Parts: sequence; C-alpha cells; structure tokens
Amino acid sequence: GQNIDQPTEMTATEGAIVQINCTYQTSGFNGLFWYQQHAGEAPTFLSYNVLDGLEEKGRFSSFLSRSKGYSYLLLKELQMKDSASYLCAVSNSNYQLIWGAGTKLIIKP
Amino acid sequence: DGGITQSPKYLFRKEGQNVTLSCEQNLNHDAMYWYRQDPGQGLRLIYYSQIVNDFQKGDIAEGYSVSREKKESFPLTVTSAQKNPTAFYLCATSTVVTGANVLTFGAGSRLTVL
Repeated sequence: GQNIDQPTEMTATEGAIVQINCTYQTSGFNGLFWYQQHAGEAPTFLSYNVLDGLEEKGRFSSFLSRSKGYSYLLLKELQMKDSASYLCAVSNSNYQLIWGAGTKLIIKP
Repeated sequence: DGGITQSPKYLFRKEGQNVTLSCEQNLNHDAMYWYRQDPGQGLRLIYYSQIVNDFQKGDIAEGYSVSREKKESFPLTVTSAQKNPTAFYLCATSTVVTGANVLTFGAGSRLTVL
C-alpha cells in the first residue's frame, strides 16, 4: 500500500527551530509537497521538492532524500502565527496525491 | 481578488437528506477537485474534473455526485447513500508553478449530520 507518515503533534518555543519529518512509501514518485493549514482554514502551499536536497524559502526550508523516502520541513525563528498543521503529500507515478495526516505544531511563548 | 469560494461554511443535515456544497472559482484554472478531511487522516479525493463536462471518481466517490457545467463551478452533492458524511469538505483548483501541480484550496465547508 501507499503510506505517508508524519508525527501527530510537536511543540516548540517561539524563536526556536523545529524540524517536521515525513516518510513515505508510494508507487513511484513525482514530487513531494508541504502545505500549512491553520485550524478550521484551508491548506496553503509551502514548498515542492522533486530532486534531492534542500529548498530554502525565507524562514522555511524543505529537504528531500528520494533514496530514503524521507523529507523534512524546517521552520526557523518560530513565530506564534506558525502554530498550524503541516501536511506532507507525495505525487505518485500516476500523479495522484497521497496525503499524510498532518503534524500539528504548537508554539509556546 | 482571484480565489475559490465555498458555501455554505457550515451546514447541518438530517440523516436521509441530500445536500449540495457550492464551489466557485475565478482563477481560470481548468482542474478542480473535491477532498474530504477527517480528524487524524490525510485528505481523501472524492472527485476531480480536468475540463468542463467531464469528471472522474477519486478514492472515495461512493455516496457523492458532482457536475461540471461551467469552468468556474464544481458543486458537490452529498447524497443519503453516504454513510458517514460528517466531515470538512475542501474544494481545490490546480495550476503549474515552477513545474509543480500546486493546489489552491477554498476555505472549506463543514458538514454535520444530526
């Protein structure tokens, strides 16, 4: 079967750094996405990785290792507004999106 | 502003009733999608449409129906055949951004069956 695994919940402190991991097992691979979803709201696109390595976008970075079936989202200089769920999704060989259940990130002052 | 409008935001339904969730977009995107989100689970695809007057079943289409008569509109009907319809429903469109097929979501409709 196809599977995406993410931690259910993480807690971090304002101003710190947090890394949210995502491991996947899918039938083929055509890219990995990270979305941010605040409670009760729509997910919004954060990043896309299709090649191995690190993609940096301001305070957020996303890393991919295709050989390990692994990605992480790195959030730096955490702000209270970063409290949200972070969804990992993989596009498989049929370009179907397989979604993880999301990681709820709680930021404490 | 371009975007996706879903309505209603909250909806209560009695068992045995059909309900229709509206999704309208002015992004001029061809592809539209309906997802269902339940606590502790990933998003699950209900239906999608790549072009007007054509749509395909997703992973959990049973108990749902859609139409795509206009490019801007992709309504979802939750029928009485859907056994567990209480959920958060998300409509999305997609466009290619730097080689990636990126989804843009509406604000969602929360359906509760009483």
